Amino acid sequence: GAGVSQTPSNKVTEKGKYVELRCDPISGHTALYWYRQSLGQGPEFLIYFQGTGAADDSGLPNDRFFAVRPEGSVSTLKIQRTERGDSAVYLCASSQTGVDGYTFGSGTRLTVV
Amino acid sequence: AQSVAQPEDQVNVAEGNPLTVKCTYSVSGNPYLFWYVQYPNRGLQFLLKYITGDNLVKGSYGFEAEFNKSQTSFHLKKPSALVSDSALYFCAVRGLGNNDMRFGAGTRLTVKP
Repeated sequence: GAGVSQTPSNKVTEKGKYVELRCDPISGHTALYWYRQSLGQGPEFLIYFQGTGAADDSGLPNDRFFAVRPEGSVSTLKIQRTERGDSAVYLCASSQTGVDGYTFGSGTRLTVV
Repeated sequence: AQSVAQPEDQVNVAEGNPLTVKCTYSVSGNPYLFWYVQYPNRGLQFLLKYITGDNLVKGSYGFEAEFNKSQTSFHLKKPSALVSDSALYFCAVRGLGNNDMRFGAGTRLTVKP
């Protein structure tokens, strides 16, 4: 597509529930990134995919967070047993090469109540 | 690990005046430096980047940034501000070989008519 698409745009879930956030990157972009942005802060790196593999998952805060990209295009960020502290905007970005500027999606605003 | 500091939470300028949004960085080796802009309820938009070469980098919407290695700075500038430039601006840095792009906390630019 023309840009990076993230769905849903908003998600409200109860504490303890499981959520999935989807990212559809720009066609042909091999690199895909997930970031988390809390209110008043800059984006915080979570995980980076090169193709189908997670090249760097050092930013995932704990084992409740997991992400996949099985066919090297669409990616899903999965959060188990959600906590109120997980509430944030989750941003996805893609790029063609490592030195390109990233193209970001509009984000998914996750609210855990 | 790399890091970015944006020392000003808020910058206010009058329309037509020059603007500067400050950024300093810390990274091992040569940096890749980026500026992004975020409008309300929108994703991050890439403005410009420095990889190598000329220290003065020109980007979108008339913005430019100057890489200063001795001062480890990458300040964003525009000769004549527009009201429509009002937004949140983020500086970001990556080190060579790193996939983890680190963002500053952001600077809110307000341009008053």
